[in-house]
Amino acid sequence: TQLLEQSPQFLSIQEGENLTVYCNSSSVFSSLQWYRQEPGEGPVLLVTVVTGGEVKKLKRLTFQFGDARKDSSLHITAAQPGDTGLYLCAGGAYNQGGKLIFGQGTELSVKP
Amino acid sequence: DAGVIQSPRHEVTEMGQEVTLRCKPISGHDYLFWYRQTMMRGLELLIYFNNNVPIDDSGMPEDRFSAKMPNASFSTLKIQPSEPRDSAVYFCASSFGGRNEQFFGPGTRLTVL
Repeated sequence: TQLLEQSPQFLSIQEGENLTVYCNSSSVFSSLQWYRQEPGEGPVLLVTVVTGGEVKKLKRLTFQFGDARKDSSLHITAAQPGDTGLYLCAGGAYNQGGKLIFGQGTELSVKP
Repeated sequence: DAGVIQSPRHEVTEMGQEVTLRCKPISGHDYLFWYRQTMMRGLELLIYFNNNVPIDDSGMPEDRFSAKMPNASFSTLKIQPSEPRDSAVYFCASSFGGRNEQFFGPGTRLTVL
């Protein structure tokens, strides 16, 4: 069974601080995605990384896919209250038609 | 463009009643996924369809749960009879061509008393 473990589960920081969220597995994935979910809404895709070692930037967010395609990280620089939410990583399973394996999520709270 | 549409947004019912959740995927998407989200278990895949055909229903908890997709623009998830432990937020998501990018609906918050 493929599993994705996210850490930390909860993170409470002050505005302006930096943070990193990790997503780890013993399995290899065809791709890795990060979603953000706000209360009362469904997850929204932030980014997809496909190539081992790939780094993508989205404003203050930096996403990296591990060289072995088993892990990923999300780094936020100078966090803002608007970054508050649940961050989910999801791995694409090979030959399973778009099926995703989701991590448990990281609940981020950024206080002004 | 309309995103994934789910109804109802909230459902409160009593134990033993039948519950039907509805989903309209994004037009042109050929994959549809049903998930359940709880604090304890996170986001769990229940079942997914490709071109209206169920592909993997290994996540369906038990026979009380059933899902159908009669056409490309509509799917239902039914729980009969419902139990308090079924209380959760149920999400529908769709994608195109087997790509991993999934687009989620707003969810249905189900409370079974």
